[in-house]
Amino acid sequence: GAVVSQHPSWVICKSGTSVKIECRSLDFQATTMFWYRQFPKQSLMLMATSNEGSKATYEQGVEKDKFLINHASLTLSTLTVTSAHPEDSSFYICSASFIAGGGNEQFFGPGTRLTVL
Amino acid sequence: AQSVAQPEDQVNVAEGNPLTVKCTYSVSGNPYLFWYVQYPNRGLQFLLKYITGDNLVKGSYGFEAEFNKSQTSFHLKKPSALVSDSALYFCAVSPLYSSASKIIFGSGTRLSIRP
Repeated sequence: GAVVSQHPSWVICKSGTSVKIECRSLDFQATTMFWYRQFPKQSLMLMATSNEGSKATYEQGVEKDKFLINHASLTLSTLTVTSAHPEDSSFYICSASFIAGGGNEQFFGPGTRLTVL
Repeated sequence: AQSVAQPEDQVNVAEGNPLTVKCTYSVSGNPYLFWYVQYPNRGLQFLLKYITGDNLVKGSYGFEAEFNKSQTSFHLKKPSALVSDSALYFCAVSPLYSSASKIIFGSGTRLSIRP
């Protein structure tokens, strides 16, 4: 149980284009979803926290207009990287949690590797 | 402010030997502590957590961790390492027991088990 998927697993795009990454909770309803980015050989950096039906809460230094997060349902959250540039290339990981899932345990997706040319 | 420190970037252990991956934390109030493992190009897999109760927590794949309040530590241990344990390990802390609470990750420790 508590499986989280991400799509796509990897994407290559041209500079200036927008890329959408989906995060789905497959067998539970996620009250909260989190988006992280991870640079090579570094830890996960929390970008934003989103609750279904409300606006995401972004961490300091993360541009909300650059990284659009939508959490339209209890099983789906999307991250759109708008006007992507090479410095946006990274590994993006989502996680999801739910109230009955053991308090504050987060279940992580497999990640999406974004490469911007 | 809450924080997590993993003082070792890399730990090298021979297969069959015991392993320890260190973690110390700083949090106001009661800490909720986690260990996760990450294999190359994959998301994080949950190993174990400490919420309350027994200081020795047993988790997946034979791993365990000991919560030490006086030393503010939560070291990950395994009695006998396997080559397949080679991966990146993250210690994490959450200040709240809530599904909406953010988790703060340490910098990670790369565990390398040699045959």
